[in-house]
Amino acid sequence: EPEVTQTPSHQVTQMGQEVILRCVPISNHLYFYWYRQILGQKVEFLVSFYNNEISEKSEIFDDQFSVERPDGSNFTLKIRSTKLEDSAMYFCARDSSGANVLTFGAGSRLTVL
Amino acid sequence: AQTVTQSQPEMSVQEAETVTLSCTYDTSENNYYLFWYKQPPSRQMILVIRQEAYKQQNATENRFSVNFQKAAKSFSLKISDSQLGDTAMYFCAFIGGSQGNLIFGKGTKLSVKP
Repeated sequence: EPEVTQTPSHQVTQMGQEVILRCVPISNHLYFYWYRQILGQKVEFLVSFYNNEISEKSEIFDDQFSVERPDGSNFTLKIRSTKLEDSAMYFCARDSSGANVLTFGAGSRLTVL
Repeated sequence: AQTVTQSQPEMSVQEAETVTLSCTYDTSENNYYLFWYKQPPSRQMILVIRQEAYKQQNATENRFSVNFQKAAKSFSLKISDSQLGDTAMYFCAFIGGSQGNLIFGKGTKLSVKP
């Protein structure tokens, strides 16, 4: 199956700025996810999105984060006011079958200065 | 709480040799899935192998196989005939009950030496 495409591959931003990370899965997939990996640490679940709604979110996913699928294709993660500790690799993933077989994108590296 | 533990931060193996990476987990779920993901220097997460807890037979994918011991809550990965391209971080992961909410271990950095 085609891979999940994430943009940008790397973004540098100033603390307090808004950032939008984009993911382009295949349009007929139902399950989408965002994960985060701080450098040198393990991968952490942020949020799952099913049938155009958030189905589950972790305690990391606080009010500064939001997800949406505005045009039925792109799946975005917005960070409203970035903090230094938001610097990480952000991975989008999809599950086309609902059988918990996740395919990850190549990741978007976010650097907050 | 559900946890995944990888007790080997780093390992190395000679090319063509066999290596086993350890993983233990803790859960009260009876129905769950276990995974091994590979993360090469490019940092992409690549699924290596998947095991369903209700299946007693150990999963195998070419040179990769697992030893799933449900009672011991152990899920080790064996890589046979190691290749230089196997050099990567390997993450053990678990899903139980929640759709797509993977819980990852801290990873094992594997170096394959020529």
